[in-house]
Amino acid sequence: AQKITQTQPGMFVQEKEAVTLDCTYDTSDQSYGLFWYKQPSSGEMIFLIYQGSYDEQNATEGRYSLNFQKARKSANLVISASQLGDSAMYFCAMRPNAGGTSYGKLTFGQGTILTVHP
Amino acid sequence: GAGVSQTPSNKVTEKGKYVELRCDPISGHTALYWYRQSLGQGPEFLIYFQGTGAADDSGLPNDRFFAVRPEGSVSTLKIQRTERGDSAVYLCASSPNTDTQYFGPGTRLTVL
Repeated sequence: AQKITQTQPGMFVQEKEAVTLDCTYDTSDQSYGLFWYKQPSSGEMIFLIYQGSYDEQNATEGRYSLNFQKARKSANLVISASQLGDSAMYFCAMRPNAGGTSYGKLTFGQGTILTVHP
Repeated sequence: GAGVSQTPSNKVTEKGKYVELRCDPISGHTALYWYRQSLGQGPEFLIYFQGTGAADDSGLPNDRFFAVRPEGSVSTLKIQRTERGDSAVYLCASSPNTDTQYFGPGTRLTVL
């Protein structure tokens, strides 16, 4: 079984500053994927970034980067140069890769509400 | 191109009634997923289709919940004898094979 833990219910950041959202995970699968999604108040889940467990480089997508520390089982999201539009709920999720248990199924954390102040 | 669409966007029903929630995936996506999101929580997996067949329905809470995808495209989540505890946002996602999942806007179900 997979488990995702997001320990920060809420985070605040000043516009243009960087912010790190924490995510730790637990799994018995050898190969898995880690995801971050953004959910604005409109409710739609927006895919941000993906990291494979065997990827040697940390994933980056524009202002988003994933700080992947496999030994610590952490996959923190770093948002650089925060914008007002970044205010939303952020979810960390994981999925076993091919051959793993429950292949295809995403397991989500509880989420972190990010508020960007002007 | 068009994203995942879900209808209705909102559904209010009475306890004991039957409801159907529809999901139109992104064209060409073979995998389709249903999740349920309660207020203040992360989405919880319900069921996953690969083509027409349910590859994993381990998240369906009980036999009142059923989902179909008869032609490998549109899917319908069916809930019989609704209960107040079924109130939640039901999210649908699709992906090419089992790659990154792209979500629809959700259906907010309220059972009175």
